[in-house]
Amino acid sequence: QLQLQESASGLVKPSQTLSLTCAVSGGSISSGGSSWSWIRQQPGQGLEWMAYIHHSGSTYYNPSLKSRVIISVDRSKNQISLRLSSVTAADTAVYYCARVNAYDFHFDYWGQGALVTVSS
Amino acid sequence: ENALTQSPGTLSLSPGERATLFCRASQRVSSSYLAWYQQKPGQAPRLLIYGASGRATGIPDRFSGSGSGTDFTLTISRLEPEDFAVYYCQQYGNSLWTFGQGTKVEIK
Repeated sequence: QLQLQESASGLVKPSQTLSLTCAVSGGSISSGGSSWSWIRQQPGQGLEWMAYIHHSGSTYYNPSLKSRVIISVDRSKNQISLRLSSVTAADTAVYYCARVNAYDFHFDYWGQGALVTVSS
Repeated sequence: ENALTQSPGTLSLSPGERATLFCRASQRVSSSYLAWYQQKPGQAPRLLIYGASGRATGIPDRFSGSGSGTDFTLTISRLEPEDFAVYYCQQYGNSLWTFGQGTKVEIK
């Protein structure tokens, strides 16, 4: 059974860079055309897709975040990472990593989420 | 961007009743690329329906999806106590993913 586990520094100061990692167990991040995304949920709000990466390295980003976000994979550690720069209080959210189904592009496996608070 | 609008915002129903949730896209969505998720407080979303009408593994058959083009529907035939939650639709197109704003199904 595929499992995803996010980790992050819980508190980030405004203007700094937020860093998240998603450790994948129960399967390789490179297997079967696997691809991955980060999705966030601001307090009391809905879901916002942020970024996508195929295990080959190709990436797509939400245009609203594109200038601030970088997604990457580390095959040696079997994990996916996200960096979001120039954060503000509006970036306070629960951040989820999810596997993107290779055929229908839905999110079939999710991590439990990591809360990141942006505050001075 | 293909915006998704879900209605109603809140649905107040009793256990045993039928729930019908709507998701309308601003542009045509390939049926293959429309999914529905359930989210309970403090939990990650859970995939219910993919490809507009396919049930994900382990999802009870009281959940069904339908629709095409710009209009999609999630139906819960008989609400169980564990079904009271927030439901989101999601689409993929042109290398972008978008979610609807959610419909909360609450106990009446």
